[in-house]
Amino acid sequence: EIVLTQSPGTLSLSPGERATLSCRASQSVSYSSLAWYQQRPGQAPRLLIYGSSSRATGIPDRFSGSGSGTDFTLTINRLEPEDFAVYYCQQYGSSLGTFGQGTKVEIK
Amino acid sequence: EVQLVQSGAEVKKPGESLKISCKDSGDSFSTYWIAWVRQMPGKGLEWMGIIYPGDSDTRYSPSFQGQVTISADKSISTAYLQWGSLKASDTALYYCARLRSWYLVYSYSYAMDVWGQGTTVTVSS
Repeated sequence: EIVLTQSPGTLSLSPGERATLSCRASQSVSYSSLAWYQQRPGQAPRLLIYGSSSRATGIPDRFSGSGSGTDFTLTINRLEPEDFAVYYCQQYGSSLGTFGQGTKVEIK
Repeated sequence: EVQLVQSGAEVKKPGESLKISCKDSGDSFSTYWIAWVRQMPGKGLEWMGIIYPGDSDTRYSPSFQGQVTISADKSISTAYLQWGSLKASDTALYYCARLRSWYLVYSYSYAMDVWGQGTTVTVSS
């Protein structure tokens, strides 16, 4: 089973700043198998990025994903108030998926 | 627009059985995998397993194999998650989600693009 480790655990930033979130896999994963989700308090997760860098429908272009192999990054440019939430990376392969433990982006 | 509507919150005692549901309001239920995801109180997301309603092919995460049963009835566009004997540690929020695929360069990408609203299960004596 592939283990995903996200860092940092918590990111304290101000609106307008850039957030850089990391997701490291215990073994190499296909670029196509890595996704990112946002979860706001009391809400279901929302798909942001699939295939490491493709934005899901309706996702603003301030969200971008990159990476390959074992290291992947979610970047949020110019943080908006609604972006303060928890973010999860997730991989899917061989009919099995795993999530990272999440990174909380909080207001500084 | 596809929507996944889950059954309501449940309060059960240890040892009781339970089956929760996830209904697809769209017309393509049999053509996508449906995933179940657990979120324990104050914790992160955990992949439980997936089912393809078209033929009921089911795959479980090793952590949940034997602990739950995932099923589906394509005639009513509904997927299910059930327990035979609940434990206090099953207390959590459970989500269903559609596992969609996109064809990228030379490979397919899979991710959960539509989520249910979640079902809270509380197990307490």
